[in-house]
Amino acid sequence: DSGVTQTPKHLITATGQRVTLRCSPRSGDLSVYWYQQSLDQGLQFLIHYYNGEERAKGNILERFSAQQFPDLHSELNLSSLELGDSALYFCASSVSRADTQYFGPGTRLTVL
Amino acid sequence: AQTVTQSQPEMSVQEAETVTLSCTYDTSESNYYLFWYKQPPSRQMILVIRQEAYKQQNATENRFSVNFQKAAKSFSLKISDSQLGDTAMYFCAFLIAYSGAGSYQLTFGKGTKLSVIP
Repeated sequence: DSGVTQTPKHLITATGQRVTLRCSPRSGDLSVYWYQQSLDQGLQFLIHYYNGEERAKGNILERFSAQQFPDLHSELNLSSLELGDSALYFCASSVSRADTQYFGPGTRLTVL
Repeated sequence: AQTVTQSQPEMSVQEAETVTLSCTYDTSESNYYLFWYKQPPSRQMILVIRQEAYKQQNATENRFSVNFQKAAKSFSLKISDSQLGDTAMYFCAFLIAYSGAGSYQLTFGKGTKLSVIP
């Protein structure tokens, strides 16, 4: 157990819908990262938050957004879902920015 | 930008034997970290081992060790006394040590699927 929690574990929804994925970092970790793992794209970085502020964006679609709250948990919002958004979404956390990242169990999103 | 290459899509090893997984990377940075993560069938991403680029000594964690060759930009993982529970996808990953206000995301290779055969 890495100490990073993600909910829900599984999510099945329809095209065009909106979902919210939630992540709670390890106690004391200030950085939260979101990654997407799909069969064709591998592991792709989406976005990084540090102590409530957005620090970097990767291959994140405009339909996706995220935020980190004062208690340091983070949410990833995915809207206007398409079939191609089906993937495993990981949250990871680290104490500081340049430090080992520990991953949550992931949320498996299936868009039908 | 950094790139990470794992040239072995799949490998297999007999239980109790030793296997080495290869990873090469490309970067212009001098200070960075390298990692191996394991993803078993449960899909959880589990940290296996970490290496700091400024350290010449190769990292070791129980049955797992690395061969870090900075000049060659090579970072291989050796698994000794392979166990059935080692069956997983293994990902090599790169992390820059300093990027100012920039990005600190992990850059992953495409992975090597390791099967441990009884």
